[in-house]
Amino acid sequence: DVKVTQSSRYLVKRTGEKVFLECVQDMDHENMFWYRQDPGLGLRLIYFSYDVKMKEKGDIPEGYSVSREKKERFSLILESASTNQTSMYLCAIQTLRRTEAFFGQGTRLTVV
Amino acid sequence: SQKIEQNSEALNIQEGKTATLTCNYTNYSPAYLQWYRQDPGRGPVFLLLIRENEKEKRKERLKVTFDTTLKQSLFHITASQPADSATYLCALERAMNTGFQKLVFGTGTRLLVSP
Repeated sequence: DVKVTQSSRYLVKRTGEKVFLECVQDMDHENMFWYRQDPGLGLRLIYFSYDVKMKEKGDIPEGYSVSREKKERFSLILESASTNQTSMYLCAIQTLRRTEAFFGQGTRLTVV
Repeated sequence: SQKIEQNSEALNIQEGKTATLTCNYTNYSPAYLQWYRQDPGRGPVFLLLIRENEKEKRKERLKVTFDTTLKQSLFHITASQPADSATYLCALERAMNTGFQKLVFGTGTRLLVSP
């Protein structure tokens, strides 16, 4: 079974805090993604990485950064959390053959 | 602009009937299309992938069709059960300016199967 593990299911942070969301995979897949999901807007891509230390901006990278120091781990960083970053955050992995994506269980982040 | 459209209204059907969900897209030429299931508070789970040269694909009670002329995919669940109640998302690949491909998702259709 594919395992994509996100560090927290629920998180509450204060405005201005630096927030780290971690994602770990056990499948040795090259591609890793961070999405956020909001009602009516669907899944929107924030950043993705196709290899260690490599990253590409998605559709909504503003206010976020990422880190991939090891192949199995992809971190999403909110540099200074704001209330409009309250959302469900989903990590996904995909092979280079670009077939199905496997998702983590999601992190529900609330910024107060 | 590129769009993926799924019916945002929930689809309510009775147990045992066939559920049909629609995914329409514009300004894409996808090599394949994917369907996912998402339960409340959970990440999407992959169900089926259909390639552009395939008209239909089946997996147990699931059937997907792909019409590249109409730019539409239909997702069918036969003999539906209350456990099939969930949101169903379709997804396509889109090329980014850097040349990489990313998966783009529709907003999903919520299916409610009543006993």
